[in-house]
Amino acid sequence: EIVLTQSPGTLSLSPGERATLSCRASQSVSSSYLAWYQQKPGQAPRLLIYGASSRATGIPDRFSGSGSGTDFTLTISRLEPEDFAVYYCQQYGSSPVLTFGGGTKVEIK
Amino acid sequence: QLQLQESGPGLVKPSETLSLTCTVSGGSISSSSYYWGWIRQPPGKGLEWIGSIYYSGSTYYNPSLKSRVTISVDTSKNQFSLKLSSVTAADTAVYYCARLLRVRFYMDVWGKGTTVTVSS
Repeated sequence: EIVLTQSPGTLSLSPGERATLSCRASQSVSSSYLAWYQQKPGQAPRLLIYGASSRATGIPDRFSGSGSGTDFTLTISRLEPEDFAVYYCQQYGSSPVLTFGGGTKVEIK
Repeated sequence: QLQLQESGPGLVKPSETLSLTCTVSGGSISSSSYYWGWIRQPPGKGLEWIGSIYYSGSTYYNPSLKSRVTISVDTSKNQFSLKLSSVTAADTAVYYCARLLRVRFYMDVWGKGTTVTVSS
């Protein structure tokens, strides 16, 4: 089973700053099968990025995804107040099994 | 607009079976493009995939839960269901149902979630 490790656990930033979130896989993951989600308190997760770098419908272009193999990154170019939330990466692998990373909380500094 | 709604008991006793249903509206569960899945989130913790089902009945389960999980589909009612047996307090969580794109297996539509507490 592929394990996804997200870092940092918490990111303290101010509105307008750039956020860089990391997702590292224990084995190589096909870029096609790497997604990112945003979750706000009391809400269901929302799909942000699929296929490692494609934005989901309605997602602002300040969100971008990149990476390949075992290292993937979610970047928020300029944090808006509504972007403070928890972010999860997710992969689909053989077996087939889906796994999530442990999450990165982006909090207001 | 596709919507998913979870339903079922909010309280289950230890050792009993947790049963939830997800009703799909605004679209057909029989679409060949999608799987349908269950994901849970214990209080204050991260997300855990439980399993997924295709409209034909083909299923995939998380190996860590496989011995206790059954997911089924009722295309006539546009619903799919989760049964988790022999529950303990560790199964207390918010349970979400979601639609998964069949080719890429990411979840693009989620239900709002339902809280299930395991307690006597």
